[in-house]
Amino acid sequence: AQSVTQLGSHVSVSEGALVLLRCNYSSSVPPYLFWYVQYPNQGLQLLLKYTSAATLVKGINGFEAEFKKSETSFHLTKPSAHMSDAAEYFCAAATSGYSTLTFGKGTMLLVSP
Amino acid sequence: DAMVIQNPRYQVTQFGKPVTLSCSQTLNHNVMYWYQQKSSQAPKLLFHYYDKDFNNEADTPDNFQSRRPNTSFCFLDIRSPGLGDAAMYLCATSRPGRTSGYEQYFGPGTRLTVT
Repeated sequence: AQSVTQLGSHVSVSEGALVLLRCNYSSSVPPYLFWYVQYPNQGLQLLLKYTSAATLVKGINGFEAEFKKSETSFHLTKPSAHMSDAAEYFCAAATSGYSTLTFGKGTMLLVSP
Repeated sequence: DAMVIQNPRYQVTQFGKPVTLSCSQTLNHNVMYWYQQKSSQAPKLLFHYYDKDFNNEADTPDNFQSRRPNTSFCFLDIRSPGLGDAAMYLCATSRPGRTSGYEQYFGPGTRLTVT
């Protein structure tokens, strides 16, 4: 069965610092991978997705993620954090032929001035 | 803009009083999902419709039911809400496939309070 692991339930950074949120998947077949962001009392918004076209994926709001098959990872990065980036981030995976997503437990990003 | 709409955004119901949450979509996606999300947790899939086919997760309580009268609308019925059912309920849609992708599009959610 597919599983997604997000290391760290909370990550704190200063404004302007690098953001790194970690995600590892377990699958014998490289899945489709996604990062979603959720602001308080809102739904999930897709940040970016990996669909095997390119290993480095650029998303909205300056975020990007790199798919590394050898490490079974899909970490999310942003060079310079902004206060508005404070939110919960979920990594998710889908397997070809299945219509459901497997979510990680989420990482709350805290940004201090 | 094509979107997923959930009404109401906030719902208060009494313990044991049936409640219905609604979801509509203008994306023309064939799959619709209902998730339950409690504070600081990942969304938990309750069930989904693949076209007209209903798929219930094994651990979804019998208290939760769903209806999908047409492609655009899907409803979540909670027959006898308990205090433990207070949560955010998220509706999502997708058109899964290698060419269209497997991402899901989420509505803004309905925050359910049980008094």
